[in-house]
Amino acid sequence: DIQLTQSPSTLSASVGDTVTITCRASQSVSTWLAWYQQKLGKAPRLLIYKASNLQTGVPSRFSGSGSGTEFTLTIGSLQPDDFATYYCQQYNSYSLTFGQGTKVEIK
Amino acid sequence: QVQLVQSETEVKKPGASVKISCRASGYAFSTFGFNWVRQAPGQGLEWMAWISLYNGNTNYAQKFQGRITLSTDTSTATAYMEMTRLNSDDTAVYYCARDQGGAFGEFSDHWGQGTLVTVSS
Repeated sequence: DIQLTQSPSTLSASVGDTVTITCRASQSVSTWLAWYQQKLGKAPRLLIYKASNLQTGVPSRFSGSGSGTEFTLTIGSLQPDDFATYYCQQYNSYSLTFGQGTKVEIK
Repeated sequence: QVQLVQSETEVKKPGASVKISCRASGYAFSTFGFNWVRQAPGQGLEWMAWISLYNGNTNYAQKFQGRITLSTDTSTATAYMEMTRLNSDDTAVYYCARDQGGAFGEFSDHWGQGTLVTVSS
């Protein structure tokens, strides 16, 4: 299976900050990568698909980039609603895998 | 609007089986497949399996091969995931999610609310 490693595991930031989360794959996944946001006790929400495509209804402060084995999710001007856990997920292989998650906390 | 409504909380004894349902509405059911994903308490997301509504094809994560079965009922727009031989490590919230892929699972754009399965003697 393709392993995804996210960094950092936890990120402390303030409202208005720009934050970046990295997702590294154990082998190339081309651009077959998605990002999700999950709040405590809720189902995940799709933010980004195919590495950089913004899902309908997701604020434009969210952006994704990368290809191959290294990807980033950037949140520009962090809002109170953005404090959550973020997961990357690859779909390059039949066996889908998620990263371990990055928790974005209030500093 | 797209909605996925899952069945209620389950409490099972070790060795038992559980079958979770996921009723879809707001779109053409046969157009999209489903992923099943679980989340143990305090842990991350774990992909379990995918089913195609186009041809019934399935893919299972290796660790669940032989222990879970996916199915669908187009007459009721419902997807099902059945897991056998439950143990305490299977205690988790189980999610169904609408998949955007075609030939195999890709990413999930809509999710059910989750079903908590607790396995305890």
